[in-house]
Amino acid sequence: NAGVTQTPKFRVLKTGQSMTLLCAQDMNHEYMYWYRQDPGMGLRLIHYSVGEGTTAKGEVPDGYNVSRLKKQNFLLGLESAAPSQTSVYFCASSQFYKYEQYFGPGTRLTVT
Amino acid sequence: DQQVKQNSPSLSVQEGRISILNCDYTNSMFDYFLWYKKYPAEGPTFLISISSIKDKNEDGRFTVFLNKSAKHLSLHIVPSQPGDSAVYFCAATSGSNNNDMRFGAGTRLTVKP
Repeated sequence: NAGVTQTPKFRVLKTGQSMTLLCAQDMNHEYMYWYRQDPGMGLRLIHYSVGEGTTAKGEVPDGYNVSRLKKQNFLLGLESAAPSQTSVYFCASSQFYKYEQYFGPGTRLTVT
Repeated sequence: DQQVKQNSPSLSVQEGRISILNCDYTNSMFDYFLWYKKYPAEGPTFLISISSIKDKNEDGRFTVFLNKSAKHLSLHIVPSQPGDSAVYFCAATSGSNNNDMRFGAGTRLTVKP
């Protein structure tokens, strides 16, 4: 069991470029989440999904889009990157109506 | 606004002693609380949780206490071990929308041998 994996681990973008972060889980979890973590702040929820084909906005959704075409994958897209999106991004998953979330190792994104 | 606050960015304790990490919350709708532990270059891992119907939950060396009237919870680690050195995040959520979890900024615990 790999658990939750994230691709890539590191990325540097120029302002205005686009990219997609991939999250995959092999635990057959229904729920998946994208968070960002910034210095001095806790993890903040960007978007989440309660099942294949469904997504919802979290606390800080602006500038991001997501898709969940397959149950095991959750993609986070940045259409036009901004320096304010420099952060560490974590993906997580959880079972149906369970509180404990399982996190991936994170992606460090720098936008210059 | 930060609904979950961990006011101590860091804590240092001696091996074998007790570590006490604190967390305060402002949203009275929160009814489930969790602690996560994070090592460098890894994602957070679930440590222990507590429901608002309880005031204490224990798992081995880890105990979480909840004081609902004060909107405060704490994590006790006894005895502390060097391997406990990590960043600890407090998190809170509500049963009505358990997908919306709010995290504190974290406390970096250092356990000295």
